[in-house]
Amino acid sequence: AQSVAQPEDQVNVAEGNPLTVKCTYSVSGNPYLFWYVQYPNRGLQFLLKYITGDNLVKGSYGFEAEFNKSQTSFHLKKPSALVSDSALYFCAVRSYGQNFVFGPGTRLSVLP
Amino acid sequence: GAGVSQSPSNKVTEKGKDVELRCDPISGHTALYWYRQSLGQGLEFLIYFQGNSAPDKSGLPSDRFSAERTGGSVSTLTIQRTQQEDSAVYLCASSFDRGAGGGEAKNIQYFGAGTRLSVL
Repeated sequence: AQSVAQPEDQVNVAEGNPLTVKCTYSVSGNPYLFWYVQYPNRGLQFLLKYITGDNLVKGSYGFEAEFNKSQTSFHLKKPSALVSDSALYFCAVRSYGQNFVFGPGTRLSVLP
Repeated sequence: GAGVSQSPSNKVTEKGKDVELRCDPISGHTALYWYRQSLGQGLEFLIYFQGNSAPDKSGLPSDRFSAERTGGSVSTLTIQRTQQEDSAVYLCASSFDRGAGGGEAKNIQYFGAGTRLSVL
């Protein structure tokens, strides 16, 4: 069975500091990994995905994520946080032919 | 259309009434998903349609919930005899998963803005 864990309900970071939002997964077969962001009263927006290739994936709004197969992790990172990055972040996984599984979400607060 | 469209954006109903929520996916997308999200919480998977295959209904919380997808495009989520605990935002997503092509957009779920359901 597929599963996704986001161990932190809430992450607080000061504006200008680097941020990390953690995600670990369990899946049989090769994983497809995704990050989505949800701003208040909005639907989910796609940030980035890993399907194959380079382990470091770059996405929208300056975000990136690193696929680590040995640690089964796909942490989301950004070198310098903005107040406007404050939102709810979801990690998701699927393997070929299977449904998507979303993590519980991590609320990111960037403090001015 | 340009994106996934859901209607209505807001629905207020009385306990015991039936409601229908509509989702228009992105044209050509083979897969369609319904999720439920309580205020500020995670996504609860409801149902997944993939092409002409039988839908994955494993997430539907009770037999009061049903969904159909006509002609491989528009989908309707129906909740019968609504209860107060059904109050939530219902999100629809579509994706292009199967077959050749799709490019960078393949396997990405695109979400609608959701329908906020309030059961009084």
